[in-house]
Amino acid sequence: GESVGLHLPTLSVQEGDNSIINCAYSNSASDYFIWYKQESGKGPQFIIDIRSNMDKRQGQRVTVLLNKTVKHLSLQIAATQPGDSAVYFCAEIPKNSGGSNYKLTFGKGTLLTVNP
Amino acid sequence: GAGVSQSPSNKVTEKGKDVELRCDPISGHTALYWYRQSLGQGLEFLIYFQGNSAPDKSGLPSDRFSAERTGGSVSTLTIQRTQQEDSAVYLCASSVGGGGRREQFFGPGTRLTVL
Repeated sequence: GESVGLHLPTLSVQEGDNSIINCAYSNSASDYFIWYKQESGKGPQFIIDIRSNMDKRQGQRVTVLLNKTVKHLSLQIAATQPGDSAVYFCAEIPKNSGGSNYKLTFGKGTLLTVNP
Repeated sequence: GAGVSQSPSNKVTEKGKDVELRCDPISGHTALYWYRQSLGQGLEFLIYFQGNSAPDKSGLPSDRFSAERTGGSVSTLTIQRTQQEDSAVYLCASSVGGGGRREQFFGPGTRLTVL
């Protein structure tokens, strides 16, 4: 079936390094792709999204890249800080089909650990 | 302002008992979602409310699960005759509107443990 998944379950980086978190998806009919951050004991927090007709979008210290040819999504975090330590989920929203374009499909997540 | 709140934060129950989980969305948000997160897993969509429209219950795993939203605000997720496989963190989220609105604001979740 269609799914959103992650290449790497864990990622450990040094403070100040750049981090890249990857995600593979199989549903070509997605309208938006989203990254969420979940700190321990908290609910997920929206980071950034990208529409399917874009290749790149930048935010504050984060960049999301979308490669539709290989169905790959990545989140780049510049100058990673200890506060960035969390589980990162990619998620997708399907194109409006029967009005169900609110349903997020989440991947399993990548645990990012930032070492001081 | 206040974010999404959920209660209780932790719930331990015995197999076969019923439980009710509560969600208070952000004031003014018309869309409300329930998700389930099992240990080490991603989030699984359960149910969606938008305004006065009929909820989308397509993600509920069995007829033991039900949810309601009163007055377009507070929501309650009820699990009847709980089973051990129901143990998970139940997350509620709300957004300004449904359909195409990507930013969902999540509460801290209720951790349910069924013994």
